[in-house]
Amino acid sequence: DVKVTQSSRYLVKRTGEKVFLECVQDMDHENMFWYRQDPGLGLRLIYFSYDVKMKEKGDIPEGYSVSREKKERFSLILESASTNQTSMYLCASSVTRFRTDTQYFGPGTRLTVL
Amino acid sequence: ILNVEQSPQSLHVQEGDSTNFTCSFPSSNFYALHWYRWETAKSPEALFVMTLNGDEKKKGRISATLNTKEGYSYLYIKGSQPEDSATYLCAPSGTASKLTFGTGTRLQVTL
Repeated sequence: DVKVTQSSRYLVKRTGEKVFLECVQDMDHENMFWYRQDPGLGLRLIYFSYDVKMKEKGDIPEGYSVSREKKERFSLILESASTNQTSMYLCASSVTRFRTDTQYFGPGTRLTVL
Repeated sequence: ILNVEQSPQSLHVQEGDSTNFTCSFPSSNFYALHWYRWETAKSPEALFVMTLNGDEKKKGRISATLNTKEGYSYLYIKGSQPEDSATYLCAPSGTASKLTFGTGTRLQVTL
């Protein structure tokens, strides 16, 4: 079974803090994704990565950066957290970049920025 | 950004009822349509991937159809059970390999 894990289920941070959200997949998948989910807005893509050290902006990259130093790990970084970044963050991975590939999701991190 | 619409937003049915939801998406540059189920406190899980106009997929009591010419897909649940309670998400993929998710249909099945 594919397993995608995220470092925390719940996280509370203060405005201005630097925040790291970690995601690890154990199936040697090429692609990894970061989404945020907000009520009424659905899952929105922040960043994705096709390979180590590669990254592509998604639909809402502002205020975020990412890092992929190893194939299995994809980190989302909030350089200076703000209250409007309070959200549920989900990581996903897929085998390749084929458009029919299933994405496998982690359990999510609920981030609250005070 | 693709405009993906799902209706209804939420649905409340009794156990044993059959139900269906709609996903609408732009028909231009279409490549594939994904359906996911997202239960509370769990991760979204893939149900189907469909690519061809007229495609039908089935998994137990759940089935889906696809019309790529007019840009819509239906998801059907026959004889709903409480364990079907979840949010159902659709996501088309276009020229890029990323998915654009709709806001989902939240289904609640009660005894």
